[in-house]
Amino acid sequence: GAGVSQSPRYKVAKRGQDVALRCDPISGHVSLFWYQQALGQGPEFLTYFQNEAQLDKSGLPSDRFFAERPEGSVSTLKIQRTQQEDSAVYLCASSLGAGQGYGGRGFNEQFFGPGTRLTVL
Amino acid sequence: DQQVKQNSPSLSVQEGRISILNCDYTNSMFDYFLWYKKYPAEGPTFLISISSIKDKNEDGRFTVFLNKSAKHLSLHIVPSQPGDSAVYFCAASAYGAQKLVFGQGTRLTINP
Repeated sequence: GAGVSQSPRYKVAKRGQDVALRCDPISGHVSLFWYQQALGQGPEFLTYFQNEAQLDKSGLPSDRFFAERPEGSVSTLKIQRTQQEDSAVYLCASSLGAGQGYGGRGFNEQFFGPGTRLTVL
Repeated sequence: DQQVKQNSPSLSVQEGRISILNCDYTNSMFDYFLWYKKYPAEGPTFLISISSIKDKNEDGRFTVFLNKSAKHLSLHIVPSQPGDSAVYFCAASAYGAQKLVFGQGTRLTINP
């Protein structure tokens, strides 16, 4: 079946512009994550949804960043008044479950999309 | 602070030999560890994982070792193949949390 898709793949924005990045998770996946990957670094967690509920937004760097998943499937990450330091690859990942599994606590493999490369000029 | 560290930015190995990628972590609450592989312009793809109740997990050419006392894990690839050339990320998850904490990555190059 189809994997996680993200659009646009590339986005160039002028400083101060608002941008919206879209993520289509694998159908039926309960959990959805957003990560930010700066050049030469590993992905860093931004926020996590279980269905439509945003359970963790501790990684969002400022109140300019906002994410939603209103119907528990597609998600949008919005960045208002973009700054140069927002330039990065934004990765979306989804997983089937929400933590059930071995030993009373499981882990569900996260499947990543190709990312959106955001460049803020 | 960097809770997951991959201290080698790059590694070059001859085809057919063993590749060993290392990862250190500082958070004692981490109880699940994963390795992801990433090609350019693609998202990371899951490779292999290990829970803290084990010290070794093997899947074909890939083996992950976990040393909890040293807070260290390693990924062994035997034999290394040209298609293994990619950036490898170590990641960890704490009990009760869903998010992954990633290392900085190691670029592996397999030379023919």
